[in-house]
Amino acid sequence: SYVLTQPPSVSVAPGQTARITCGGNNIGSKSVHWYQQKPGQAPVLVVYDDSDRPSGIPERFSGSNSGNTATLTISRVEAGDEADYYCQVWDSSSDHHVVFGGGTKLTVL
Amino acid sequence: QVQLQESGPGLVKPSQTLSLTCTVSGGSISSGSYYWSWIRQPAGKGLEWIGRIYTSGSTNYNPSLKSRVTISVDTSKNQFSLKLSSVTAADTAVYYCARASLEWLNFDYWGQGTLVTVSS
Repeated sequence: SYVLTQPPSVSVAPGQTARITCGGNNIGSKSVHWYQQKPGQAPVLVVYDDSDRPSGIPERFSGSNSGNTATLTISRVEAGDEADYYCQVWDSSSDHHVVFGGGTKLTVL
Repeated sequence: QVQLQESGPGLVKPSQTLSLTCTVSGGSISSGSYYWSWIRQPAGKGLEWIGRIYTSGSTNYNPSLKSRVTISVDTSKNQFSLKLSSVTAADTAVYYCARASLEWLNFDYWGQGTLVTVSS
């Protein structure tokens, strides 16, 4: 089955740029979505279809996807961005199902 | 504004069946533009997709749970439901219901989640 690999943690100082990666075999051929989850809350979609933002999500959140790596980029990081981030794809290769990455804890120093 | 709300027992005994319902408000579950899914998250761990259903009743399940999962829909009540049989402590988690667009297969609306504990 398809596997998505994320680093367990990323740390960044306020005002800097955070990059969270999501690795998968030929992930560039898939549509990747990203979710932000704060403690005790449900996940929130922050980027869909590799690089689009839902309404209400700041422009500081952007995404890219090529080859074997998709990346969520958060510019001008704020303390309120501290959260867990998950990537997600739909795996239609065999038994159609959703795959989540293991999640990355973003710490704002 | 679409809202999803999970409901069901917070405590289930081992070997029994976990049953949850998701009530959708602010939109019709029969609109035909969305899939309706269940996702769970054990404490301190990541998200695990359980399965999805379309308004026609068509389903897809996580292969690792497929033998124990049934998802159904009741369009008259604007609800969909999850049944997970033969539960063990490993099934203890926060269970979320969520809506996914047919176009992008992403989850744009989520319920608040409900904690289900498997314990005797």
